[in-house]
Amino acid sequence: QSALTQPASVSGSPGQSITISCTGTSSDVGGYNYVSWYQQHPGKAPKLMIYNVNNRPSGVSNRFSGSKSGSTASLTISGLQAEDEADYYCSSYTSSSTLVFGGGTKLTVL
Amino acid sequence: QVQLVESGGGVVQPGRSLRLSCAASGFTFSSFGMHWVRQAPGKGLEWVTVISYDGSNEYYADSVKGRFTISRDNSKNTLYMQMNSLRDEDTAVYWCAREGGKSLLDYWGRGTLVTVSS
Repeated sequence: QSALTQPASVSGSPGQSITISCTGTSSDVGGYNYVSWYQQHPGKAPKLMIYNVNNRPSGVSNRFSGSKSGSTASLTISGLQAEDEADYYCSSYTSSSTLVFGGGTKLTVL
Repeated sequence: QVQLVESGGGVVQPGRSLRLSCAASGFTFSSFGMHWVRQAPGKGLEWVTVISYDGSNEYYADSVKGRFTISRDNSKNTLYMQMNSLRDEDTAVYWCAREGGKSLLDYWGRGTLVTVSS
């Protein structure tokens, strides 16, 4: 049950686009289209932003999008806004019927 | 609206036990799988355990297997987690979360802090 691999930090200026990667194995990310992304602001509970690789829950801005290639999933945020500054976590279903999270990525909006 | 409210956190000595509860409302509790997720201070999210909608299946992270037990009472719309043999490294905020679809956690509680310290 090793954590999925995410970059520790990414940054971008308002209006720009950024992409956060999430690398796993064939036993998790690569084996299933059950990848989700969560946004967490300091002191708050995580919020679901993307599910099943590329689906947005109702109410989530279409500036957020997801994709997957092989064992690497990606979250792209376009038109960066100040309120996007937060920690982002990917998660995936695993072959053991468990869930695994990535280590988290801190997004800084410059 | 969907609400999840955790309780039962607190300060406990290493080796002791604690039971967390999660009261659910605003949805048909008995139709959804439920998870516990934790976050140690300054660290990332760690998945802990899941229970199926009817309680027939449970899965655990290796870090808690054999020490933690998840359960539910659908008549009371409540999720539980019994935590035994607590260790310093179990210190974290614990959230309950609803599984809105395969392994997607669409609603989370506000969390309850567990501190394991002598």
